[in-house]
Amino acid sequence: NAGVTQTPKFRILKIGQSMTLQCTQDMNHNYMYWYRQDPGMGLKLIYYSVGAGITDKGEVPNGYNVSRSTTEDFPLRLELAAPSQTSVYFCASSSPHDRGGTEAFFGQGTRLTVV
Amino acid sequence: EDKVVQSPLSLVVHEGDTVTLNCSYEVTNFRSLLWYKQEKKAPTFLFMLTSSGIEKKSGRLSSILDKKELFSILNITATQTGDSAVYLCAVEAGNQFYFGTGTSLTVIP
Repeated sequence: NAGVTQTPKFRILKIGQSMTLQCTQDMNHNYMYWYRQDPGMGLKLIYYSVGAGITDKGEVPNGYNVSRSTTEDFPLRLELAAPSQTSVYFCASSSPHDRGGTEAFFGQGTRLTVV
Repeated sequence: EDKVVQSPLSLVVHEGDTVTLNCSYEVTNFRSLLWYKQEKKAPTFLFMLTSSGIEKKSGRLSSILDKKELFSILNITATQTGDSAVYLCAVEAGNQFYFGTGTSLTVIP
């Protein structure tokens, strides 16, 4: 049971470099999310997707892009890395249903440092 | 604007103490409230609450939701050092989860 898998676990980028954080889930969940977590802070939503081909901005989307070509994959792209993007990034997925809530399943996180 | 507020921000207790963590929320299209425990890695799921007044219990942890007053509490009895973590409250509303900033709990031996 892989669940939600994120790669890489750690990365150091120089200012202006670009990279893609990979996220894949094997639970056939329609909903996927990208969060960032800064020290002492809660999780802030960057982007989310309710299904393949559909993405929406969250609370802090600037400097990021996403795509959702398949149900399983939801990569997060940083085009021009900035020090403000130093953070821990979590990918999550869920499968909401009409009768009530659902939990979000999290990947193990990517610790990104921009220098 | 949807928001989730947790209190206290941090807490230091001795082993054996009982603690109560608070979570209040203001969201539209509420679906559920969730509690997670985070220990320097990904959050791990504790409870999901959808109905008022029904206590969820798991060992020394319990939680209850009040949908009229828009809050939830997480109780931990007979705390142990292994309970030291950040406890996150999240509210599922619309298509999103809204997270509080968390309560950092430190349990001293």
